[in-house]
Amino acid sequence: DAEITQSPRHKITETGRQVTLACHQTWNHNNMFWYRQDLGHGLRLIHYSYGVQDTNKGEVSDGYSVSRSNTEDLPLTLESAASSQTSVYFCASSSGGSQETQYFGPGTRLLVL
Amino acid sequence: ELKVEQNPLFLSMQEGKNYTIYCNYSTTSDRLYWYRQDPGKSLESLFVLLSNGAVKQEGRLMASLDTKARLSTLHITAAVHDLSATYFCAVDGGATNKLIFGTGTLLAVQP
Repeated sequence: DAEITQSPRHKITETGRQVTLACHQTWNHNNMFWYRQDLGHGLRLIHYSYGVQDTNKGEVSDGYSVSRSNTEDLPLTLESAASSQTSVYFCASSSGGSQETQYFGPGTRLLVL
Repeated sequence: ELKVEQNPLFLSMQEGKNYTIYCNYSTTSDRLYWYRQDPGKSLESLFVLLSNGAVKQEGRLMASLDTKARLSTLHITAAVHDLSATYFCAVDGGATNKLIFGTGTLLAVQP
């Protein structure tokens, strides 16, 4: 069955370190998204991609970057982790059709000390 | 800037009762999504509403969309404990499939 996976599921890191969160989908979806979820804020869009080599900034993109070298993967990099980036991170994908919802991965809990 | 507001933020209700969660959004959009999230879990798609007047039902949940009022409702009929979760609405932000989420409604159904 097609699915979307994230790794690691839990991560503890120190401020200033570079961290990369992986997202892999086997739906063959063109669209991929990264969100962060924090209490009181719902989900906020970090970056998104509509296809290979395409990346776009979302509403909270500062301190994050993504690259899309193939259809299946959209890794999220925190260039220099900050305590404010402690959060739960969700990756999602969609085919892009007008009736298509987004399918979410299981999430990565990141703690920056 | 598109904003999405849900109310209430927290809802405690008894089994067997009916209630409605409201989702208001600030700019024109004709696509709205409802998701469910169980504690510590991912988001699960419930409904996709694509036009004014759209109504969808699944079990004890019914969602509707009024694009003129910029309002969607999620109605719960005869609540059961298994419906306890956080419910999010999300509105298409204009760009293809770019969703703006509400802050969520935490629903607790008491036996």
